This record gives sequence, structure tokens and C-alpha cells, in this order.
Amino acid sequence: IAGITQAPTSQILAAGRRMTLRCTQDMRHNAMYWYRQDLGLGLRLIHYSNTAGTTGKGEVPDGYSVSRANTDDFPLTLASAVPSQTSVYFCASSSDRNTEAFFGQGTRLTVV
Amino acid sequence: GENVEQHPSTLSVQEGDSAVIKCTYSDSASNYFPWYKQELGKRPQLIIDIRSNVGEKKDQRIAVTLNKTAKHFSLHITETQPEDSAVYFCAVRGGNYKLTFGKGTLLTVNP
Repeated sequence: IAGITQAPTSQILAAGRRMTLRCTQDMRHNAMYWYRQDLGLGLRLIHYSNTAGTTGKGEVPDGYSVSRANTDDFPLTLASAVPSQTSVYFCASSSDRNTEAFFGQGTRLTVV
Repeated sequence: GENVEQHPSTLSVQEGDSAVIKCTYSDSASNYFPWYKQELGKRPQLIIDIRSNVGEKKDQRIAVTLNKTAKHFSLHITETQPEDSAVYFCAVRGGNYKLTFGKGTLLTVNP
């Protein structure tokens, strides 16, 4: 089934550890996004990519890095996790500027 | 960067009443305005969108209006039903691919 998949679905992580959240889409979408969702703060953009090989910073990029080596994959890395990075993370993709963004199922990350 | 303000943060209506949620944005170059619905524990899903060359769009009980001059757009839900209860997010996409969301509105439809 075509769509966008995130892994893992949930994770408990010790502070200071490195973690990569995976995101894969098979819709050949150009644009991909990473958001974090915290109660009362909505969906905040962490990083985005317009096309393979390019990335950009969103509202809350500090402590996170991304890469876009190919069209399908857009991993998000926490180099050294801190408790404030406890959140639900959503990956999304869209084909171009004026079309729907599809969301993955989310990753619930707890940093302790 | 783009600033998206969404109001109200919570909205409670009686079944059958209408609900209106409003958003304002800052970047006049913005050209795509989607609305998403998120049920508890689920991913956000698109319910309706509008592009900058259109002033209004309707899909059954849901409509969106856009005022580009004033830089605001609104979601209208008529004849609300309990299954409309969810968090609703507006979003704005500017000249690049950035998609910025409002903080969300928790809509409760009371039977």
C-alpha cells in the first residue's frame, strides 16, 4: 500500500544517547517534513526538504539534523537526546507546493 | 518566517450548530491553505484546502473562505455531528515548500 511510514512507533531513550527516527515514502513526493507535536503547541516544523539533496530549517531545528540522500527517505537524528525532546514526531510528504501533505503514523519518543 | 495564528483554541457547540475556526498569517506570498483534522491518537488528515486564486471552497458540510488582502482564512462546519469532535489545524505554505501550522482548535460537539 502506497504511503508514508515511520519507525519506530515508540521509543524510550536515555538522555545523552543518539537516536535516528526513520521516515520512508513510496509516493515519489518531492517535499518531506519533520514536525514535533506537543500539547498546546500544535505541530512545529523541525526540518524540511524540497527535493532530494536539499534540506532547510524549520521553527525548532536545534538539537536535530536531517539528510535527504534520495527521494524516498528522510531520517531525523537527535545527536544527544535531552528530556525536552520528549514529544510525538510526525513525518510528512507532499508532491509539490500546492498539494496535500500526507502524514506518517507518528513516533512517540520519551527521553528520560 | 511565517507566523500563523489560530482561534479559538477550544470550541464547544451543540450538535446541529455551526462551528467557525479562524486563522491569520503573516507572509503575503503564501499561496496554499489546508485544514487538517486530528482525532485522538491518530495522524493529521486533510479535510479541505484552498489555493490563493480562490476565495471560497465547499465540500458538503465543510467550507473554507480566504481573504488574501486581510491575510486570514476560516473553516466553517455546518450541522455539526459528534464525530466532528477532534483537533483542527490550519496551515499555510509560502513561496518555498515550508508548511507552517497553527496551534490547533479542540472542537467538542455535544449531543
